[in-house]
Amino acid sequence: DAGVIQSPRHEVTEMGQEVTLRCKPISGHDYLFWYRQTMMRGLELLIYFNNNVPIDDSGMPEDRFSAKMPNASFSTLKIQPSEPRDSAVYFCASSPTGLNNSPLHFGNGTRLTVT
Amino acid sequence: KNQVEQSPQSLIILEGKNCTLQCNYTVSPFSNLRWYKQDTGRGPVSLTIMTFSENTKSNGRYTATLDADTKQSSLHITASQLSDSASYICVVTRGEGGYNKLIFGAGTRLAVHP
Repeated sequence: DAGVIQSPRHEVTEMGQEVTLRCKPISGHDYLFWYRQTMMRGLELLIYFNNNVPIDDSGMPEDRFSAKMPNASFSTLKIQPSEPRDSAVYFCASSPTGLNNSPLHFGNGTRLTVT
Repeated sequence: KNQVEQSPQSLIILEGKNCTLQCNYTVSPFSNLRWYKQDTGRGPVSLTIMTFSENTKSNGRYTATLDADTKQSSLHITASQLSDSASYICVVTRGEGGYNKLIFGAGTRLAVHP
């Protein structure tokens, strides 16, 4: 199993540009999570999906952020327009049965820098 | 307020030595407690998950303890190796009527020196 795959690993963009982050969860996992990690705030949940349906998007900072999961093997997180304060590492994670007692499997993240 | 606090913030030890990392939480209602290891430039990797009824759980040289009464957990690393250098994150799952949410600690950054 290749684990959770994220792309790109690094993204540098200018303020105002659109950014799209991609994630392929582990096959068979019904839950997919998007997190953001910064030095100041640590890991924060942005949104999570169950069976491709968004369940909780209360962590999405503002309307500039959107996430989709068109099928069980692919999800995107889009920022439009991007701002310097969006600079962070964005992690995708998947889980077979939610957060009861199964571990989250994280990807290696996308480091986003907005200049 | 639902919080997870970890100590120390950072720690330096010599290879071969043991160390213990602490985690105190005020999360309620409690579902489970997790320890993750995060290497630099990588995503967190699960070490242990403990439910309310579990006092201790081991994963190789890592042993986690949980005292649900005092709301404290510790992660003990035995015979440390250079590869143990990483951030260790304590995470408490808050259960709210079927909807669970992870509350993350800020992590302890461990450096193992030769």
